[in-house]
Formats: sequence, C-alpha cells, structure tokens
Amino acid sequence: NAGVTQTPKFQVLKTGQSMTLQCAQDMNHEYMSWYRQDPGMGLRLIHYSVGAGITDQGEVPNGYNVSRSTTEDFPLRLLSAAPSQTSVYFCASTQRGGGYSYEQYFGPGTRLTVT
Amino acid sequence: AQTVTQSQPEMSVQEAETVTLSCTYDTSENNYYLFWYKQPPSRQMILVIRQEAYKQQNATENRFSVNFQKAAKSFSLKISDSQLGDTAMYFCAFMKSHNTDKLIFGTGTRLQVFP
Repeated sequence: NAGVTQTPKFQVLKTGQSMTLQCAQDMNHEYMSWYRQDPGMGLRLIHYSVGAGITDQGEVPNGYNVSRSTTEDFPLRLLSAAPSQTSVYFCASTQRGGGYSYEQYFGPGTRLTVT
Repeated sequence: AQTVTQSQPEMSVQEAETVTLSCTYDTSENNYYLFWYKQPPSRQMILVIRQEAYKQQNATENRFSVNFQKAAKSFSLKISDSQLGDTAMYFCAFMKSHNTDKLIFGTGTRLQVFP
C-alpha cells in the first residue's frame, strides 16, 4: 500500500512552459485535493475532487487545471507557468463516512521552481 | 469564511520539557474538525492529532494533547516530554464537517527542540 504518490519530486520550468504534476492514491479514497505551500502562508487549496468526473475550485485555482478520470489519479496541470507558481505542491486524499477519521493523507510534495 | 491563526511563528523548548503551541480560528459552523499537522524537514505532512467539535473531551495521542475551547475558538497543542524528533513546523487546520476536501491551514509554528 503506497498511499499517496507524487511525481516528480523536483521540477524547474521556464516561464510559459506547461507541465503536469502527477498524483495517485491506492487507498480507494473518494476525495482528492491539491494544495500549494508558500513560505509564511501555510497550505492553500488549489482544486479538489469528490469523486471520478467531479472537480471544483479551491482558494487559489487560477493558472491550474485538474481532471479526475479515475478514482486513483488526480493530475494537476500548469497551463503556462509563471514565477508566482514557484511553490511546493501537495496532493492529498481523504476517506470519509462509515466512521472514518476524515484524515487527509498527503503525498511527499513536488518542489516546483519557475524561472 | 473560516480563518485559522497561529500567532507564534517560532518556538523553542529544551528536551524533556513541555511546550504549548497556540491556534485560534474563526467560524460560524457548529460542527467541524480541527487538526494539528507536523511537517519535519523531510517535508512530509504528518497528522499529529484531531478533535471533533462535538466532543467535549480533549483529544490526546501519547505525548500530544490539545486544549479545545469551543466558545473561545481556541485549539492549542501541548507537547510533553519534548524530543529532538519533535523539531518541525506545526500547522493547525480546520475542516467543516460536511466538506472533507477543504482544509484551511494556519501559517504554522516552527518548533525547535534543543538538547
């Protein structure tokens, strides 16, 4: 049971380039989400999904797209990278209901630098 | 909108001593969850302890306990018998009970444990 996995661990992009951050979980969790972590600001929600085929915006969605074609995968796409998107990105998944703890399981993070 | 405030950017404690990290939050919800997450230098987000708002009893997990004051909207974390491995960033987080993908984080407290 690998939990939540993210690839890559590190990435450097030039301004204007696009890329996809991968996230996968093997716990059959319905809920998945993406956060970014910036110095002094804690983690902020970018996008989330309550199940396959359903996504919604979080607090800071601009410049990012997501899709959820399967329960396991929740990729985050940067359409045209900007220096303001330099951050550490975390993917998380949650199981809820039936007495589950509502704990969010986090991936190891991706450090992205946009030059 | 909900907000979470951690007013102590940095704290330090000597090994084996006790330290308390503060967290206050603002919400109009009656049912919700509160969490403390630990982020060591490895960057991994690790759940330390959680509290359901409907429970009056304060949560405890080994050396970690909380002081949950619902009326005051306060949720402090007490670490007893501090260990060097407790050195990390600590984030307080809030989640509405019916929306498991929207964790709202505070800005964090950096805790240093000295030998």
